[in-house]
Amino acid sequence: ETGVTQTPRHLVMGMTNKKSLKCEQHLGHNAMYWYKQSAKKPLELMFVYSLEERVENNSVPSRFSPECPNSSHLFLHLHTLQPEDSALYLCASSLNYNEQFFGPGTRLTVL
Amino acid sequence: KQEVTQIPAALSVPEGENLVLNCSFTDSAIYNLQWFRQDPGKGLTSLLLIQSSQREQTSGRLNASLDKSSGRSTLYIAASQPGDSATYLCAFFKAAGNKLTFGGGTRVLVKP
Repeated sequence: ETGVTQTPRHLVMGMTNKKSLKCEQHLGHNAMYWYKQSAKKPLELMFVYSLEERVENNSVPSRFSPECPNSSHLFLHLHTLQPEDSALYLCASSLNYNEQFFGPGTRLTVL
Repeated sequence: KQEVTQIPAALSVPEGENLVLNCSFTDSAIYNLQWFRQDPGKGLTSLLLIQSSQREQTSGRLNASLDKSSGRSTLYIAASQPGDSATYLCAFFKAAGNKLTFGGGTRVLVKP
């Protein structure tokens, strides 16, 4: 499989659940990103990882916990979310902070 | 703080008409800019990337220009087709740092 993949594509969870989003890139890139896209709001950068090290945390609440075990994989661990966290979560990757390539996203609904 | 504005927010044109999508930014210290396409409920597809030293990029029916002095970028889509219907987003990579800042997008509908 090529490009950037994300699983699951859809997720419904309660406020007390713990779940994880997964992103995988097959492009040989060295930077990976998590974005949040809410209805009627611009895309918001959440986290940036470069060479598996977090280089940016854009004031994201601690109920979102990223993990980057290697340059090809990125996770977003979720716990005790709020209904307002319902959104499309997008993963992207790039080589040396150049052109970014996005995955299809995970549509998250928090009940 | 870098702000990115896209006007109009929505645009409807008949098939065959040329599309002109505008993007303006407040901070001229940009590393590059990128235009994306997003279909409903889907991820983003990269269309064009313009480095700060370039003035335009072309790919098929698409042409994107960059004018740093006026803080503007324009995406032209020639001879629009119904398949061009989507939301188009512009985003800027800052010179200092690694943050890609997005505009709110322009939702385009091309009517057959």
